[in-house]
Order: sequence, then structure tokens, then C-alpha cells
Amino acid sequence: DAGVIQSPRHEVTEMGQEVTLRCKPISGHDYLFWYRQTMMRGLELLIYFNNNVPIDDSGMPEDRFSAKMPNASFSTLKIQPSEPRDSAVYFCASSPGQAGYQPQHFGDGTRLSIL
Amino acid sequence: QKEVEQNSGPLSVPEGAIASLNCTYSDRGSQSFFWYRQYSGKSPELIMFIYSNGDKEDGRFTAQLNKASQYVSLLIRDSQPSDSATYLCAVGGSQGNLIFGKGTKLSVKP
Repeated sequence: DAGVIQSPRHEVTEMGQEVTLRCKPISGHDYLFWYRQTMMRGLELLIYFNNNVPIDDSGMPEDRFSAKMPNASFSTLKIQPSEPRDSAVYFCASSPGQAGYQPQHFGDGTRLSIL
Repeated sequence: QKEVEQNSGPLSVPEGAIASLNCTYSDRGSQSFFWYRQYSGKSPELIMFIYSNGDKEDGRFTAQLNKASQYVSLLIRDSQPSDSATYLCAVGGSQGNLIFGKGTKLSVKP
């Protein structure tokens, strides 16, 4: 089975530009999670969806960040406008069944650099 | 604020030794516990999960859970240089998400 697929793998852009990160979860997984990882703060949950509906977006840093899940096989995380402090590795993960009880499976991540 | 605490390390052990990684958590309602391994520049990879008090063994890995003490650990027997990585402890609770610790960096010396 294919794992969680993220694109792009690397993104370098200038401050102020819009950034869109994409994720395809594992087929049949009901939950999708977006994380950000930095050396200082570790792995932080940004938002998660259940059956395409956002459940908890309390980790989204500010209004510059938005996430959507238009169908069961696709989700986007957008940053507009981007800032240098948004530079991090962004992971998407998915899990079957009850979130918080089932293991999450991670994609390879997007390494984002904002200049 | 629900928290998961890990010693950041680095934890250095010789090849063939037992590596012991520890994790404490603050939410008494937590029901599920996971260990992930993350190699430098890679994504977290699930290696073990445990739901009940006691030990769970899988090959060279043993997860230990003590809910009364809010403590979970991972033992790696016969440590190999390929086990050198950061190990993330994650705890699941009533709110439906996992809380991750910041990880312990393990170095296994040949």
C-alpha cells in the first residue's frame, strides 16, 4: 500500500509569497493531521481533520495559515503571506479509526525555507 | 497544558548494550502510547505502541507502561549503530490527538 504522500519535498521561496503544501493520506484513513517540526519546538500539531471536517485547529499559529480537505484523498496547507519564521519541516500524517488511539503514519515531509 | 517529557540526550551506549529511553506524561486520562524513531532528515516512523500496563515485546524492542506513575519507556536490546536516531514518545488522550515529546537522541557507538 502507498503511504502518505506529500508534495513538494522541498520549497524555497521569498518572504511574502504564498506557499501551498499538499498531502494525500493513506486510502481508508479517516483522520489527517498537519504538523510542523523545528529544532526549538519539536513536533507541533497544527490542525487535524476527521472525515474531511476540521476538528481542532488550535495549533494553527495565526490567520496566515489555512488548511482544507476538499475530499478524502487530498488536503492542503497554505501560508499567505509567508515569513522567515515559518521555515520548518511540515509533516502530514493519517490514521485509521479513533484519533489518539490508533497510530499515525507520517509522510516524508516538506522542508520549507522562507528567505 | 498536556505535556510529554523526554530527556533530550544525547544518550550514548556501546554496540550490543541495552538502551533505555524514558518518557513521562501529564494527562492521567491518556489511553495510548507510541514510540516513533526519526532518523536525521527523515520522517517519524512508528516502532511500538502499548495500551495496557506492563511490558510489550517486539523483537529487540520492549515498551513498558506504568499508568500509575504516568511513565512509559522503550528498551532496545543488543543496540546496533543503525539504531542511532531520535526517539519520539507520543501519548494519545481523550481529545483525539497525539501529544509528542521533543525526543531523545540515541547514539550507539561501534
